[in-house]
Amino acid sequence: NAGVTQTPKFQVLKTGQSMTLQCAQDMNHNSMYWYRQDPGMGLRLIYYSASEGTTDKGEVPNGYNVSRLNKREFSLRLESAAPSQTSVYFCASSGQEGGYGYTFGSGTRLTVV
Amino acid sequence: QKEVEQDPGPLSVPEGAIVSLNCTYSNSAFQYFMWYRQYSRKGPELLMYTYSSGNKEDGRFTAQVDKSSKYISLFIRDSQPSDSATYLCAMTNAGNNRKLIWGLGTSLGVNP
Repeated sequence: NAGVTQTPKFQVLKTGQSMTLQCAQDMNHNSMYWYRQDPGMGLRLIYYSASEGTTDKGEVPNGYNVSRLNKREFSLRLESAAPSQTSVYFCASSGQEGGYGYTFGSGTRLTVV
Repeated sequence: QKEVEQDPGPLSVPEGAIVSLNCTYSNSAFQYFMWYRQYSRKGPELLMYTYSSGNKEDGRFTAQVDKSSKYISLFIRDSQPSDSATYLCAMTNAGNNRKLIWGLGTSLGVNP
C-alpha cells in the first residue's frame, strides 16, 4: 500500500521555466491538498480539492495552478517559476475512514535559481 | 494573531525525560485535534487524533485537549532519541472542507 506518491523528489529550475508536480493516492480518498513548507512559515495551503471535479484556492495560490485529473491524481503546475517558489512541496489526502487526518507524501524539494 | 500558536523551540531534553508540547488556538468551533510528527526531510505523519475534549493515550504518547482554555498538549513519556523530530499540531471543525489549521511546529531533540 503506497499511500501518497509524489514525483519528482528533487528539482532545480531556472527562473521562468515551468514544471508540474505529480501526486497520486491509492486510498480512495475524496480530498487532496497541496502545501508548501518554508522555514519559519510552517505548512501553507496552496490549493485543495475537496472532491473529484472541484478545486479551490488556499492561502498562497498565486503563481500556481492545479488539476484534479481523477479521484487518484492531483497535480500542481508552476507556469513561470520564480525564486520565491523555492520550497518543499507536500501533497496530502484525506478520506472519511480516516476522520480529518491527512496522509502526506514524502515531498518535492524545488529550487528555483 | 494566528489562529493556532505553537512555540517553535527548539526543545532539547535528555533521554528518558517527559516532554510536554503545547498549542493554543482562538477558534472555539474547532472540534478535531491532531498531532503530527515530521522527521527531517520527510512528510508529516499523523501521530494522535482527538475529538473534542479529554485525553487519549497511545503507548508513550498522551494527547490532551482543554476546550475551555483553547489549549492542547502532547506528552511523551520516557523520551527516546528516535523521538527527535518536529511536532506539528493541527485542528479543524466539521464542514471546513476538511481543511486543517496548522501550528508552525516545535523542533524536539532527545539527547542520549
